[in-house]
Amino acid sequence: QQQVKQSPQSLIVQKGGISIINCAYENTAFDYFPWYQQFPGKGPALLIAIRPDVSEKKEGRFTISFNKSAKQFSLHIMDSQPGDSATYFCAAFTSGTYKYIFGTGTRLKVLA
Amino acid sequence: EAEVAQSPRYKITEKSQAVAFWCDPISGHATLYWYRQILGQGPELLVQFQDESVVDDSQLPKDRFSAERLKGVDSTLKIQPAELGDSAMYLCASSPSGGHTGELFFGEGSRLTVL
Repeated sequence: QQQVKQSPQSLIVQKGGISIINCAYENTAFDYFPWYQQFPGKGPALLIAIRPDVSEKKEGRFTISFNKSAKQFSLHIMDSQPGDSATYFCAAFTSGTYKYIFGTGTRLKVLA
Repeated sequence: EAEVAQSPRYKITEKSQAVAFWCDPISGHATLYWYRQILGQGPELLVQFQDESVVDDSQLPKDRFSAERLKGVDSTLKIQPAELGDSAMYLCASSPSGGHTGELFFGEGSRLTVL
């Protein structure tokens, strides 16, 4: 019940294309869903996040879509660029316990 | 911009030796986390502190790992003795509590290689 399932494991997209990464959770106690971006040799950095009372959040080329009834959320990267090549982790957070559960990561490669 | 500081960035050690990692969170952040990240996987929580108190260490292998945050500021994670399977990136993260937004701030990590 504490898992966050992330797919795909890896993704190759052409420059200018749309990258889509999906996550699913089971625990309804989660109340914050961030996405982290990690470059090789670096720590993860917050990219964008959403709370369950909103179905979509957009920041620049990055959009989170959230489906509360299906317990799923996804990251869409529009106009993908080679600089977006990184590993992306979804996460789920419970404000009552300050606990984060991370997905297994998606390694994105954007071809120039 | 405030950052989470970690050291050392890289550590190579032999099996059965002791290693220690240090973390200095962003000033004022009461919650501190140590994560282990094996290559190709997501971060897994080892220990969570709220100020100087351990909130969750259920996934910490306590026979060989220890963590402390004595004054509720910086923290040390120790492994004694190190085993081959401990090779991983050890990430420290912090977040503010009280008006907690949910954002987690990571350091750049300490990469451990056990030979």
